[in-house]
Amino acid sequence: SAVISQKPSRDICQRGTSLTIQCQVDSQVTMMFWYRQQPGQSLTLIATANQGSEATYESGFVIDKFPISRPNLTFSTLTVSNMSPEDSSIYLCSVEGTGDGYTFGSGTRLTVV
Amino acid sequence: AQSVTQLGSHVSVSEGALVLLRCNYSSSVPPYLFWYVQYPNQGLQLLLKYTTGATLVKGINGFEAEFKKSETSFHLTKPSAHMSDAAEYFCAVSVSTGGFKTIFGAGTRLFVKA
Repeated sequence: SAVISQKPSRDICQRGTSLTIQCQVDSQVTMMFWYRQQPGQSLTLIATANQGSEATYESGFVIDKFPISRPNLTFSTLTVSNMSPEDSSIYLCSVEGTGDGYTFGSGTRLTVV
Repeated sequence: AQSVTQLGSHVSVSEGALVLLRCNYSSSVPPYLFWYVQYPNQGLQLLLKYTTGATLVKGINGFEAEFKKSETSFHLTKPSAHMSDAAEYFCAVSVSTGGFKTIFGAGTRLFVKA
């Protein structure tokens, strides 16, 4: 299965600033997914990122707040923009599961103060 | 639309005791079912999966789960808990809708007492 490197692993940010999270995969994948895991909760899909096209966002998530880049088949970034304390979460990227399950990055633990 | 319900946000067992984590799902089409484990400060790791075929599936670390269509369940079990099993466990259902979309349950935190 694919191996994902995600960074930063954690960060503490001031409100109003932005943070870009990077996700590097060791193999080419068509679809990459970005999830948010709020404290004590399950995972919520933010968006699906396909190479060469705009990301598809789930209900409640917008591009202005969570811009995503997917410049090639092994890399993606998620930016959390104009952060507020409510954005404090773990953000995870994962790669396409074709019925075989997803592989996840180790996550980025974001604290907004 | 599919959904996943995990019964019990917290489960506590003694070391050596049976582990049973419950998961029920709803899906209008045959689902793929998964269990993931999340250790503190880490991402999710796939424990096991059911796609087709044998309904009893075995995963890593001695865990197994049985797909019961009549009960729409996919409970996770392990005969003997170990301290290292303490973690958060997520059940997930995935269906093909022109691409796979996965829905995660709320998670069950497993505590193992010495």
